[in-house]
Amino acid sequence: QVQLVQSGAEVKKPGASVKVSCRASGYTFIAYYMHWVRQAPGQGLEWMGWINPNTGGAVYAQKFQGRVTMTRDTSISTAYMELRGLRSDDTARYYCARGAAAGPFDPWGQGTLVTVSS
Amino acid sequence: DIHVTQSPSSLSASVGDRVTITCRASQSVTNYLNWYQQKPGKAPKVLIYGASSLQSGVPSRFSGSGSGTDFTLTISSLQPEDFATYYCQQSYSTPYIFGQGTKLEIK
Repeated sequence: QVQLVQSGAEVKKPGASVKVSCRASGYTFIAYYMHWVRQAPGQGLEWMGWINPNTGGAVYAQKFQGRVTMTRDTSISTAYMELRGLRSDDTARYYCARGAAAGPFDPWGQGTLVTVSS
Repeated sequence: DIHVTQSPSSLSASVGDRVTITCRASQSVTNYLNWYQQKPGKAPKVLIYGASSLQSGVPSRFSGSGSGTDFTLTISSLQPEDFATYYCQQSYSTPYIFGQGTKLEIK
């Protein structure tokens, strides 16, 4: 079955960077975009951007431009999201989600909790 | 950016009730509007895509309608497992913005 498995929880200090991984299985990795969405505690869903695993090209939400980089390793069907310059308001659960162009996000990874605290 | 606004933000209902949640886009998204359900501590799950197409495996009591800027999600007869938070999302153009969510609670 199609599955996305993310890396474990992280605790970071303000100003640090975090890199979250998302390993895909059960489908052709390069055939679908990979989106990243975050959810702060008790808040809604915020789209961060997507990567095209076939080309490596990425599109980022303007809010994260300059702070986020999305990459992939096709040899192990894994996508990565790195966020730099962490602040306390970056504390959130970060999800990867598979998506076709203009289509829904399905499935989602289990989420990775990133806590930013001094 | 195309924003989507959901209403209501919260809703109390009983098992067996018919419930409707609305989503309005700030400009036309044609039919590129999706609905998700999220339960506490879990990742979101897609219910409806393309405004009205039922995702495989989703019960038929869920339905979606609309096009352009105005959309609705309807649950025809609430079941206990339907109490959750629901989000709409436009996938017409980036950024793929989500609505603020509708929390459906037991009356």
